[in-house]
Parts: sequence; C-alpha cells; structure tokens
Amino acid sequence: AQKITQTQPGMFVQEKEAVTLDCTYDTSDQSYGLFWYKQPSSGEMIFLIYQGSYDEQNATEGRYSLNFQKARKSANLVISASQLGDSAMYFCAMSAASGSARQLTFGSGTQLTVLP
Amino acid sequence: GAVVSQHPSWVICKSGTSVKIECRSLDFQATTMFWYRQFPKQSLMLMATSNEGSKATYEQGVEKDKFLINHASLTLSTLTVTSAHPEDSSFYICSASHHLAGQETQYFGPGTRLLVL
Repeated sequence: AQKITQTQPGMFVQEKEAVTLDCTYDTSDQSYGLFWYKQPSSGEMIFLIYQGSYDEQNATEGRYSLNFQKARKSANLVISASQLGDSAMYFCAMSAASGSARQLTFGSGTQLTVLP
Repeated sequence: GAVVSQHPSWVICKSGTSVKIECRSLDFQATTMFWYRQFPKQSLMLMATSNEGSKATYEQGVEKDKFLINHASLTLSTLTVTSAHPEDSSFYICSASHHLAGQETQYFGPGTRLLVL
C-alpha cells in the first residue's frame, strides 16, 4: 500500500523568500508518480508539478521545483520568491505508476501562509 | 488548457432529497474521471473512478447505490447523491484524467459544497 506523509500542518514564510514543503512517501513499487497540488480557500485543486520515479532530474515549473530524493523517499516542494497569492493548502500525492495519475493517494496537506 | 468545470458550486437541500453534481472537461476529452470527498481541514478521499461508457469503480466503504455515477460522454460525468442526509454534507470535487506529452495528470474541478438540512 502507498502512503504519503506531510509532517508540517502549517508553515509561515516571508514574502519574497523561498520555502520548502516536506513530503515523504512509502511504496514498494519501483514505478510511481509524485504530484503537488495547491488548494486555495476557494477549494479548487490546482496542479503544480509532477515527478516520475524514473526521472533523474528534479522537476521544475516556474517558481516551483520538486526536490526528489529517491533513496530517502522524499519529494519536497520548493517555492522560490514567495508571493501573497501562494497562501493556500498544499497537497502531495502519489500515483500507482510513473506516467499515470491513477489511484492518487494524498497526504494530509500543509497550510502555507505568506506574510507581507 | 485542461479546464474542468463543476456545477453547482453550492447546493443546500432537505434531508431525503437527491442531488446531482455535474463534472465537465471543457477543452479535452476524458475517458476517466474521478470523484472525491473532502471534509473540512482534511485531505481528499477518492470515492470512485468513473469510466466513460462503463460502470464506475467504487472505493471500499463507498455505497454505490447512494452515490450514483454516470459517465455518459467523454466530457461529462455526474454524481447523484440519493436520499441525502446531513452526514452527506461535504465538499465534493471531481477530476478528469488528461494525457499530455506521455504524462497523465488529474485536473480538478472547482468543487461542490453540499449542505443537507
């Protein structure tokens, strides 16, 4: 069975600074995908970034980067130059196979607050 | 691209009535859609996987006769909460599977807040 752990219920960061949101996972599979989603207070889930288990380079999407450490089974999200609009709940999720988004298992989430 | 809409965004109903929620992929076709439920300050829980033209696959513990799912076209899936009760009050959110450059991603709708009185 797959499991995602997000140990930070809440995080604060000063505007324009970088912040790292932690995510560790547990699986016995070799093939899996890792996703990060952002959920503002409005409720919508916004896809941010994806990392496949076979990808050797860390994924990047604009100000978002995923620090993938396979041996440690961690997939931390790094947000650079934080903006007030980044304040939201962030969820890490895992899929059953690399390249697939089926059977997503979500972590408990981290509430990020960006301070002016 | 990859926009998913959900309707209605809010619904309040009396106990015992049925409520239908629509999930549409606006700019792509989705053979697979997913329905989730989320309680306040909690994570998303997958309720069922909706496959176009076939029966939905329900997760363990989800009553298929209570949560009816229909995926009649490549852009529309519906969730009907039958004989709703106050304990069904929750945030329901759908997602649609989209393939781009060999990678499948779930794109989510804005969600529906259901309050059963």
